Amino acid sequence: GESVGLHLPTLSVQEGDNSIINCAYSNSASDYFIWYKQESGKGPQFIIDIRSNMDKRQGQRVTVLLNKTVKHLSLQIAATQPGDSAVYFCAENDSNSGYALNFGKGTSLLVTP
Amino acid sequence: DGGITQSPKYLFRKEGQNVTLSCEQNLNHDAMYWYRQDPGQGLRLIYYSQIVNDFQKGDIAEGYSVSREKKESFPLTVTSAQKNPTAFYLCASSISGGVYEQYFGPGTRLTVT
Repeated sequence: GESVGLHLPTLSVQEGDNSIINCAYSNSASDYFIWYKQESGKGPQFIIDIRSNMDKRQGQRVTVLLNKTVKHLSLQIAATQPGDSAVYFCAENDSNSGYALNFGKGTSLLVTP
Repeated sequence: DGGITQSPKYLFRKEGQNVTLSCEQNLNHDAMYWYRQDPGQGLRLIYYSQIVNDFQKGDIAEGYSVSREKKESFPLTVTSAQKNPTAFYLCASSISGGVYEQYFGPGTRLTVT
């Protein structure tokens, strides 16, 4: 299948700064994208999603940006807190191929005080 | 964990034994999924089910089997044919009929020696 990947395996930010986690995808037919947060030893937790008919979506302290031209997805976290430290995964789906999500390998976010 | 329970949290088995992992959801979701996660890796799809009594193989179905006799339950059996069964297993569910966010359970860590 098509690959979903992340630019950086680890990201270290200071508390209070904004974080940006990037994700590249290769399937031009992907039409649904989602970000998850996973803390050690736990299941992934839904953060935010976006469909291909949008290029930006905002949640509480988070924003997802989608650039279909270059097949790039990013997650922005405002005023990063120590509780944001976790692994973040992006995932995509091509609805013509079924309902399963294809996950990237993840980026580890470390927030330092 | 969004109304999805997985049991047990930790499971130990001897090589050559089959083992069944439990997944139950009370979200009234039609679709359920099983993923495998290895250390430092993303999630890989084992099986998924869009409706009761129907399921499809994912990317790494060899050595695994599932059943979907009830909407609430989607047990996964790791058979002795699975060459490297030690991993973190995650169950998820979502509203069927389109691509929606998947809600994950807390996971089961299986160790086979």
